[in-house]
Amino acid sequence: AQSVTQLGSHVSVSEGALVLLRCNYSSSVPPYLFWYVQYPNQGLQLLLKYTSAATLVKGINGFEAEFKKSETSFHLTKPSAHMSDAAEYFCAVSDDSSNTGKLIFGQGTTLQVKP
Amino acid sequence: DADVTQTPRNRITKTGKRIMLECSQTKGHDRMYWYRQDPGLGLRLIYYSFDVKDINKGEISDGYSVSRQAQAKFSLSLESAIPNQTALYFCATTTGQGGDTQYFGPGTRLTVL
Repeated sequence: AQSVTQLGSHVSVSEGALVLLRCNYSSSVPPYLFWYVQYPNQGLQLLLKYTSAATLVKGINGFEAEFKKSETSFHLTKPSAHMSDAAEYFCAVSDDSSNTGKLIFGQGTTLQVKP
Repeated sequence: DADVTQTPRNRITKTGKRIMLECSQTKGHDRMYWYRQDPGLGLRLIYYSFDVKDINKGEISDGYSVSRQAQAKFSLSLESAIPNQTALYFCATTTGQGGDTQYFGPGTRLTVL
């Protein structure tokens, strides 16, 4: 069965500091991997996704993530945090072997950005 | 206009009441999904539908039912609401092709007293 683990339910960084949100997955087939962001009182918005092309994926708002098969990881990074990055972030995996398109989500990481 | 809309956005109800949450999408996609979000648990799949005649249970379907009235509309019902169904509910849609993005609605915050 597929699963996603996000290490750290809360991460706090200072404005301008590096953002690193960790995601590890378990999948028996080559996965599709996603990072979504949820701002307060809003739905989920796609940040970026990995679909077996380049292992380093660039997304919106300066975020990027690197797929590392050997480590079963897909960590999200941003070189310099902005106050507007404060939100909840979800990592998700899609198992296309069953052709359902459904996503398995991690438990989420709340990012706090301090001035 | 938003691609995926959900109504109502907020709802407070009492134990035992029947509740329907509605979702509409203008993406033209066949596949639609209902998830619930609980703090510390992420999102979990309740039901999903590939078309109006193809509806499938997700991992937490007990206590819920759905109706796919048209390609663009997918409703979630709680036949007899209970307090542990208090959560944030999201509808999503996608083409279903491998790796395609799921597009989410703004969510419905449901409180069952």
